[in-house]
Amino acid sequence: GAGVSQSPSNKVTEKGKDVELRCDPISGHTALYWYRQSLGQGLEFLIYFQGNSAPDKSGLPSDRFSAERTGGSVSTLTIQRTQQEDSAVYLCASSTGLGEFFGPGTRLTVL
Amino acid sequence: AQKVTQAQTEISVVEKEDVTLDCVYETRDTTYYLFWYKQPPSGELVFLIRRNSFDEQNEISGRYSWNFQKSTSSFNFTITASQVVDSAVYFCALSEASGGTGFQKLVFGTGTRLLVSP
Repeated sequence: GAGVSQSPSNKVTEKGKDVELRCDPISGHTALYWYRQSLGQGLEFLIYFQGNSAPDKSGLPSDRFSAERTGGSVSTLTIQRTQQEDSAVYLCASSTGLGEFFGPGTRLTVL
Repeated sequence: AQKVTQAQTEISVVEKEDVTLDCVYETRDTTYYLFWYKQPPSGELVFLIRRNSFDEQNEISGRYSWNFQKSTSSFNFTITASQVVDSAVYFCALSEASGGTGFQKLVFGTGTRLLVSP
């Protein structure tokens, strides 16, 4: 597709379970970003990929969060042992360096 | 640290009114970029504009215009003759060098919710 896609669009999980969120960036975009949007916290940067490497992981809130990117394309954000405070919309963006284009997000609800 | 402040939490206007959304930023970088994004009820962030720190010319795109003033560290956004479809949350953002690679991660303001009623 022409834009950034994310799956699933919605995810409901129980506290303590692991979840995986997927992002398909715009073809040819070498940079990929994960952000989180939650009530009271606004939009927070989580991690940035350049190709398959992650030079900036400074926004990951805890070691329960990890992300990988393979083939310079698809990225997966994994949250282990989910907690209720992880409930948020997780947004992926890709870029050529001239501006970030965002996907529709994955709404994660942890019960 | 870089910071973006959008002091207006919510603005309500009636259709056809003009409305200005304020954005004030803080940065120590001499080279930076400023952005505006629109987030309609559907939730997707829509890119509106990117402006670099060396270009202080105002920009107009249809009913949208942006006023960038480095002297006051502001990058305000005006919608002329607002329409109901303009109802959304608008985010101002500042780029911050990420990982020393030159790519830019974004620092967002808290957003301004604009409600345009018929």
